[in-house]
Amino acid sequence: DVKVTQSSRYLVKRTGEKVFLECVQDMDHENMFWYRQDPGLGLRLIYFSYDVKMKEKGDIPEGYSVSREKKERFSLILESASTNQTSMYLCASIPTGRRFGQPQHFGDGTRLSIL
Amino acid sequence: KQEVTQIPAALSVPEGENLVLNCSFTDSAIYNLQWFRQDPGKGLTSLLLIQSSQREQTSGRLNASLDKSSGRSTLYIAASQPGDSATYLCAVLSGSARQLTFGSGTQLTVLP
Repeated sequence: DVKVTQSSRYLVKRTGEKVFLECVQDMDHENMFWYRQDPGLGLRLIYFSYDVKMKEKGDIPEGYSVSREKKERFSLILESASTNQTSMYLCASIPTGRRFGQPQHFGDGTRLSIL
Repeated sequence: KQEVTQIPAALSVPEGENLVLNCSFTDSAIYNLQWFRQDPGKGLTSLLLIQSSQREQTSGRLNASLDKSSGRSTLYIAASQPGDSATYLCAVLSGSARQLTFGSGTQLTVLP
């Protein structure tokens, strides 16, 4: 089974801090995604990556950046955390070269609170 | 821009009932539609994926249908069990975007 692992289940940070959320997948998938999930707004795509050192903006990239130095790891960075970034963050991956035919696999999520 | 709507937002049924969850989307030019399950505080688990050329997919007690022309999908759950209690989300892959657009989900409670 594909395993997508997010480094923290719960995280509490302060306004202005630089925050790193880590995601690792063990199936050699090239495609990885970061979403945030908020009540009433559903899941929204922040950033995605189709290869090492490659990234593309999703629907809500403002206030975030990403890093993909190795194929298995995709990091989401909050450069200067703000309270409106309090949310559930979900990482996902899908298999190489078959973006349209295979289901996305999700991690268990990181619930991030910014105080 | 693609929009996905799920009705109802919440549903409560007694154990053993058959039930239908609805999903509609505004742009019928989709590549596929996916149904997910999410348990409280957890990530998403893929249940069924229907390609745009398919009409339905089945897995155990679950059956998902797709009517692309009308922009609708249904998830049918037979003989519901308390363990089916969760939030069910549908998502479509469409347009030139390389991402899924999600609905807000239906929160299902199956009462023992």
